[in-house]
Amino acid sequence: GQNIDQPTEMTATEGAIVQINCTYQTSGFNGLFWYQQHAGEAPTFLSYNVLDGLEEKGRFSSFLSRSKGYSYLLLKELQMKDSASYLCAVQRAARQLTFGSGTQLTVLP
Amino acid sequence: KAGVTQTPRYLIKTRGQQVTLSCSPISGHRSVSWYQQTPGQGLQFLFEYFSETQRNKGNFPGRFSGRQFSNSRSEMNVSTLELGDSALYLCASRLAASTDTQYFGPGTRLTVL
Repeated sequence: GQNIDQPTEMTATEGAIVQINCTYQTSGFNGLFWYQQHAGEAPTFLSYNVLDGLEEKGRFSSFLSRSKGYSYLLLKELQMKDSASYLCAVQRAARQLTFGSGTQLTVLP
Repeated sequence: KAGVTQTPRYLIKTRGQQVTLSCSPISGHRSVSWYQQTPGQGLQFLFEYFSETQRNKGNFPGRFSGRQFSNSRSEMNVSTLELGDSALYLCASRLAASTDTQYFGPGTRLTVL
């Protein structure tokens, strides 16, 4: 993705916690989305951050630091079904949503 | 409320042909965006339509075009297909503002032989 960086792959164990980082260029920043995409399926919305801080939603949390151009998605109590690609996407003012290349998470038993 | 629907779900074409894909947004959503997804390039933005007008456009050749109808349904067309156009084409809708959440349809898997 254009100026959006996230790790290509991560592996974690069932029941563990994993943090997926995303860095982006801050110019024109207007919000950051996280999506989950299982193989062969469409991306599904996980979270949205526009202000600094942590947004918690069940087992998933997302953090944003606008000044640092940094976000992370935190997944707790990992389950096998969490194996998927996690996409970070940045909204810039009056522009399209730009996606990172995605982080492929594999959860091992 | 029904989600975003796309038709057809699968399509096989040969080089040189053209193809039209259809997308029906979530009821009440006025913005429709199209993306191309390939293993090597990830999700690439094609264009966005809002109230029948193209609001944003990605870096794709003119062979890729789209339109939106008054009921917010959208179509995209690819002419003179190339092997490299084989991809999953995703449509996403949102209410209106650029900060509204986009919701994706299931996609159309296009294979060009």
